[in-house]
Amino acid sequence: GQNIDQPTEMTATEGAIVQINCTYQTSGFNGLFWYQQHAGEAPTFLSYNVLDGLEEKGRFSSFLSRSKGYSYLLLKELQMKDSASYLCAVMDSNYQLIWGAGTKLIIKP
Amino acid sequence: IAGITQAPTSQILAAGRRMTLRCTQDMRHNAMYWYRQDLGLGLRLIHYSNTAGTTGKGEVPDGYSVSRANTDDFPLTLASAVPSQTSVYFCASSDSAGGLNEQFFGPGTRLTVL
Repeated sequence: GQNIDQPTEMTATEGAIVQINCTYQTSGFNGLFWYQQHAGEAPTFLSYNVLDGLEEKGRFSSFLSRSKGYSYLLLKELQMKDSASYLCAVMDSNYQLIWGAGTKLIIKP
Repeated sequence: IAGITQAPTSQILAAGRRMTLRCTQDMRHNAMYWYRQDLGLGLRLIHYSNTAGTTGKGEVPDGYSVSRANTDDFPLTLASAVPSQTSVYFCASSDSAGGLNEQFFGPGTRLTVL
């Protein structure tokens, strides 16, 4: 079966760095997405990786290793507004997104 | 530019009733999707449409139907609602002709079936 695993919840301190991991087993791979979802709101796109390596976008970076079925999202200089759930999703061989359950990130002052 | 709109925002429905959730996008995206989101679970695909006039079944299609008469609208119908269909429903769209296939989400409909 297809499976996306990520931690349920993480806590970090304002101004610090946090890494959210995602491992996946899917039928085919056509890219990995990270989305941010604030409580009660819709998911919004953060990043996309299809090749191995690091993609940097401001305070957020995303890494992919296809051979290991592994990705992480790195958030630097954490702000209170970064408190949200972070969703990992893999596009499978049918070009459908398979979603993880999300990681709830709690930022403390 | 509104992006994607959904209606209603929330709804309480008696079991056995018929309900249609509306979704409209103004980005001229060819692909549209319906997901449900339940606590502790990832977004699960109900139905999708790669282009106007075509639809397909996702992971959890039972009890739901969709239609795609034109590019902009993608309504989701619950023919006879059951309590297990209590969930938050998100509509999304993407321009699958492009390379990224990023999905854009509507604000969601919170549905409670009693």
